[in-house]
Amino acid sequence: GNSVTQMEGPVTLSEEAFLTINCTYTATGYPSLFWYVQYPGEGLQLLLKATKADDKGSNKGFEATYRKETTSFHLEKGSVQVSDSAVYFCALTPGANDYKLSFGAGTTVTVRA
Amino acid sequence: DTEVTQTPKHLVMGMTNKKSLKCEQHMGHRAMYWYKQKAKKPPELMFVYSYEKLSINESVPSRFSPECPNSSLLNLHLHALQPEDSALYLCASRRSGTGELFFGEGSRLTVL
Repeated sequence: GNSVTQMEGPVTLSEEAFLTINCTYTATGYPSLFWYVQYPGEGLQLLLKATKADDKGSNKGFEATYRKETTSFHLEKGSVQVSDSAVYFCALTPGANDYKLSFGAGTTVTVRA
Repeated sequence: DTEVTQTPKHLVMGMTNKKSLKCEQHMGHRAMYWYKQKAKKPPELMFVYSYEKLSINESVPSRFSPECPNSSLLNLHLHALQPEDSALYLCASRRSGTGELFFGEGSRLTVL
């Protein structure tokens, strides 16, 4: 079946530090990959996405590259801010027209001033 | 307008009450979802409506009853809930052809 594995954390780091959250997936075919972010007390927001191999998604200084050879979609940001403190979910859907979205366990990130 | 609006934001109910959660979107999306989320966990899929018809029910107990009155609205009717049903209930809609979901801010439910 389809599944997503991500480092669970929690991750605590200082402002301006480099952030990496690892995400690997298992899927047949050519899934679409997503990172969602959930700020405290809010719903999920799409952070970035990639729909085919070697695509790079980017938004708000975050980046992730769809690597089919390593079945990975790691999230990176070069310099985090306190406002980046949130829970980050890696997710996949098997195809653009598939209704089910499989989530990873989520990684809680806390950035200290 | 890329918003999914959920009401109420907070709801406290007893185990014998009947209440409803509401969700609205005006993005023209034809698939709408209900998820349940416990603290520090990923969302769990409950129901999917596609073109106003129920297409996925993830074996959800019958005390949860979804309804899709039209393409913009989604309700979740609640009856005889248990304390373990306390959670954040998230509504989402899906942009066709992308798999991308847009989430509301959720309704936080407490069952006493």
